[in-house]
Amino acid sequence: AQTVTQSQPEMSVQEAETVTLSCTYDTSESDYYLFWYKQPPSRQMILVIRQEAYKQQNATENRFSVNFQKAAKSFSLKISDSQLGDAAMYFCAYGNEKLTFGTGTRLTIIP
Amino acid sequence: DTGVSQNPRHKITKRGQNVTFRCDPISEHNRLYWYRQTLGQGPEFLTYFQNEAQLEKSRLLSDRFSAERPKGSFSTLEIQRTEQGDSAMYLCASSLGGAGGWYEQYFGPGTRLTVT
Repeated sequence: AQTVTQSQPEMSVQEAETVTLSCTYDTSESDYYLFWYKQPPSRQMILVIRQEAYKQQNATENRFSVNFQKAAKSFSLKISDSQLGDAAMYFCAYGNEKLTFGTGTRLTIIP
Repeated sequence: DTGVSQNPRHKITKRGQNVTFRCDPISEHNRLYWYRQTLGQGPEFLTYFQNEAQLEKSRLLSDRFSAERPKGSFSTLEIQRTEQGDSAMYLCASSLGGAGGWYEQYFGPGTRLTVT
């Protein structure tokens, strides 16, 4: 069975600084997708970024980028120029149809 | 496109009662997913539909849980004889779907169930 581990329950960062959220996963499959989702307080979950396992190039979406290390089964999220609106729970997820989520990292932005 | 909607947003029920939640997906989406999220945890997959067919059910979905998607549009999730352990946020998501490829899942706001 696939598992996703987020070892940082909480993180904080100064506004405009850079923060990296960690995620590791376990799977026996060779082709899969990885995702980072953001869940703001009392709001619905939205997709931040995705990575196809067959692509070596790390995905980037504006201020959000990933460091995908397939051999190490590591998938971290880097947020550059952090903004107050980035404050949320961040979930790492694996899958395609059904998604397997980690336990989340609560990100606080310090003004 | 009004997004995925879920009703009710909150439900408080007494242990042993039955409850039913509704999810309305984005209109052109043929896939619909149910997840459960307990406090401090990430969402856990429960089941998903492609059109009206229920394609997969998690072993988390005990016999007290049943989901339907008649006519491949909205879906209902019913919990019979609720237990305190059923207290959670129930999330619905929808996506396009087909053979191969990847399709983004769009999540609804969830239904928060409290069993007293």
